[in-house]
Amino acid sequence: QITLKESGPTLVKPTETLTLTCTFSGFSLNTFGVGVGWIRQPPGGALEWLTLIYWDDDKRYSPSLQSRLTITKDTSKHQVVLTMTNMDPVDTATYYCAHRHKFLTGNMNYFDSWGQGTLVTVSS
Amino acid sequence: DIQMTQSPSSLSASVGDRVTITCRASQSISNFLNWYQQEPGKAPKILIYGASSLQSGVPSRFSGSGSGTDFTLTISSLQPEDFATYFCQQCYSNAGFGGGTKVEIK
Repeated sequence: QITLKESGPTLVKPTETLTLTCTFSGFSLNTFGVGVGWIRQPPGGALEWLTLIYWDDDKRYSPSLQSRLTITKDTSKHQVVLTMTNMDPVDTATYYCAHRHKFLTGNMNYFDSWGQGTLVTVSS
Repeated sequence: DIQMTQSPSSLSASVGDRVTITCRASQSISNFLNWYQQEPGKAPKILIYGASSLQSGVPSRFSGSGSGTDFTLTISSLQPEDFATYFCQQCYSNAGFGGGTKVEIK
């Protein structure tokens, strides 16, 4: 059974850097095709994809946020870490990490398991 | 960057109604389109992947169709537990979500 859980601060000040950790179990980030993504959702708003990291350490970022995001993995700790710089009140959202399932053949993929999410508020 | 546009943004329907939600991609994504359901206060749940493949455990009243740029999610007979928000997601190039469709009780 795959589980993921996000952890980190619930309140950050404007201009600060946010660091969130996703701790997972039930899969290995060393396995071919596996990825972990971060997705956020402002209160009452839509889902927004932020970043993905793959088993081979390939990293992808949302073009609109690329300059502010960094994603890393620690396979021995079963963790993925998201860093977002220069936080602003518009970044107030629930942040989710999710397991990206990919079929052994072809490129079809989807997020099949999600963490519960963590609400981050940006305010002075 | 592929943009995903969903319509409508909300709809009201009754139990037993047939409901259709559409999703349009800004460029062709073949069948690399997924649908998720999100209940209030919960994480999204995968319903359909590859535009038309039903995820294991999802009721057969849910179906998806389309390819290229235009896609549809259909609920054949709306049930009380289906009142939720639905999101499409392209998985052709990284990932990107539509704006969501909230299905409310009429």
